[in-house]
Amino acid sequence: EPEVTQTPSHQVTQMGQEVILRCVPISNHLYFYWYRQILGQKVEFLVSFYNNEISEKSEIFDDQFSVERPDGSNFTLKIRSTKLEDSAMYFCASSDDGTGGAGDTQYFGPGTRLTVL
Amino acid sequence: QKEVEQNSGPLSVPEGAIASLNCTYSDRVSQSFFWYRQYSGKSPELIMSIYSNGDKEDGRFTAQLNKASQYVSLLIRDSQPSDSATYLCALYSNSGYALNFGKGTSLLVTP
Repeated sequence: EPEVTQTPSHQVTQMGQEVILRCVPISNHLYFYWYRQILGQKVEFLVSFYNNEISEKSEIFDDQFSVERPDGSNFTLKIRSTKLEDSAMYFCASSDDGTGGAGDTQYFGPGTRLTVL
Repeated sequence: QKEVEQNSGPLSVPEGAIASLNCTYSDRVSQSFFWYRQYSGKSPELIMSIYSNGDKEDGRFTAQLNKASQYVSLLIRDSQPSDSATYLCALYSNSGYALNFGKGTSLLVTP
């Protein structure tokens, strides 16, 4: 069964450093998402991406964050200057529908645990 | 932002019993609802989706939706210890791109 993959599984970085989290969405999906989950808290939406453009972003997704689809298979999340509060699990998701209606299911990758020291 | 409310639990049920998980939401125009299961340290895994009022069954799982009461529930029949996890209720934002999640209900199935 096709699945979303993410690398690395765990990233440790120093405050102020840049990190890039990588995702390979399901191959025939066209809609891509990033979410994060701070330990003990709920899953929070960051950004959605379609046709090489951001379609929606949350208040969390400020100028420190960016997303890119550098090739036909990868989807990346960059954090330019990490803060302690960026420590969280980051989940990539993809869907083949994007309408938010019936049948639009988002499938999640295993996540990258980001630890900022 | 659409609010999604869930009792955090833990909800403890004996093996073989029915577990009932509930979720309420604030926005009457919400159309699509999802239940995800999340094991500790893992990613959300889709259990069921529901769009129409009434019940939807899939194996041991039944989702129930009541749009008038802004209420969606998940029933797990013949609960197994492997069902022990956090169950997340989610629905789409107005734009249809972002999933808004509840905080989840922790379920513990005891042998």
